[in-house]
Amino acid sequence: EAGVVQSPRYKIIEKKQPVAFWCNPISGHNTLYWYRQNLGQGPELLIRYENEEAVDDSQLPKDRFSAERLKGVDSTLKIQPAELGDSAVYLCASSKGQPGQETQYFGPGTRLLVL
Amino acid sequence: GEDVEQSLFLSVREGDSSVINCTYTDSSSTYLYWYKQEPGAGLQLLTYIFSNMDMKQDQRLTVLLNKKDKHLSLRIADTQTGDSAIYFCADSPGSARQLTFGSGTQLTVLP
Repeated sequence: EAGVVQSPRYKIIEKKQPVAFWCNPISGHNTLYWYRQNLGQGPELLIRYENEEAVDDSQLPKDRFSAERLKGVDSTLKIQPAELGDSAVYLCASSKGQPGQETQYFGPGTRLLVL
Repeated sequence: GEDVEQSLFLSVREGDSSVINCTYTDSSSTYLYWYKQEPGAGLQLLTYIFSNMDMKQDQRLTVLLNKKDKHLSLRIADTQTGDSAIYFCADSPGSARQLTFGSGTQLTVLP
């Protein structure tokens, strides 16, 4: 079974530029998560989707961050414009989202460096 | 708010046992997880325990949960150099909601 796929793996941009990250979850997983991991810290949730609906986006900085999950499968996370403090690893995870099948599986992440 | 705490560093000799500790504050935690992160990689699920259990064993890994003290530990038997990584404890209230992670414990295995 293929795992969570993310691209690109690395991205270097200048501040004020836009950037987008893509995630393909494990087949059959209805719930998709975007986390941000700052250096030396654990991941923190940005947004959670159940199918195509964003059910928890309370920690997403909505002035510059946006996300979508059209058709309830792949998802894109966008930052526009990027700031220096956005440098981090952006992790996508997915789960079946059903009682007893809630374990989250993570992709390899996208490492963003904003200069 | 919810908080998960871990010690930052642990060093052990190859072949010894490692014990990584974690405390959490959310009494509604339903699942508690251990993830492993190697340099430049994502998070690999190691094991998890449901909150009504107090122990789970999986090959070299033993998870102990003290729900009264909100304390979780991960014991790795016969630690190998390949076990060197950052280990994250995380809790979840269930219902596929978010995981709250600790800051991670850097395990270094010395030859």
